[in-house]
Amino acid sequence: SQQGEEDPQALSIQEGENATMNCSYKTSINNLQWYRQNSGRGLVHLILIRSNEREKHSGRLRVTLDTSKKSSSLLITASRAADTASYFCVPQTGANSKLTFGKGITLSVRP
Amino acid sequence: DTGVSQNPRHKITKRGQNVTFRCDPISEHNRLYWYRQTLGQGPEFLTYFQNEAQLEKSRLLSDRFSAERPKGSFSTLEIQRTEQGDSAMYLCASSSQRTLSGANVLTFGAGSRLTVL
Repeated sequence: SQQGEEDPQALSIQEGENATMNCSYKTSINNLQWYRQNSGRGLVHLILIRSNEREKHSGRLRVTLDTSKKSSSLLITASRAADTASYFCVPQTGANSKLTFGKGITLSVRP
Repeated sequence: DTGVSQNPRHKITKRGQNVTFRCDPISEHNRLYWYRQTLGQGPEFLTYFQNEAQLEKSRLLSDRFSAERPKGSFSTLEIQRTEQGDSAMYLCASSSQRTLSGANVLTFGAGSRLTVL
């Protein structure tokens, strides 16, 4: 398995702004997943993008994947205070392989 | 389906004591994972089970740690002779191996916080 390298390590924005978080990984993947962790709801799965997909949307979330650059980005549009959390990018290397987490990105959304 | 359940939620113990945590996964999930998380860090993989078989254990895991999943349902994680460095949040997650795409999506429990005095 491999872990994602998230960038930046911390991000602070105003409510209503967009938040862009980046991720890089090292070897080919089956899919890439983003998870969010906050004190209220714990660690939850947000969105998954398969290796043959380039972009995926879910509500205010937009994730992109560039397998040639081994990178992904997560965009949260019109951010809310409730989006304040840590976000983890988790590349899944093989089918059914275990997931390894990096340090994540700490997002603070100021009201 | 009530999700992944972990007990106890908090445990305070003295150094040298043994502690045990329990995880009840989502009933249809055949895979169960244990992770450990300290402040400011991401979850660190400890071990995982497929049904009742323990398939992988982190090389970083001390011999004081042992996990079981006797009937392929709930799992226990025991830490013997606890040390202050064991203080952390212990997270359990479950997933289904039976997805056609091979995607391994984890559902986490709320965690068990251990404080070793």
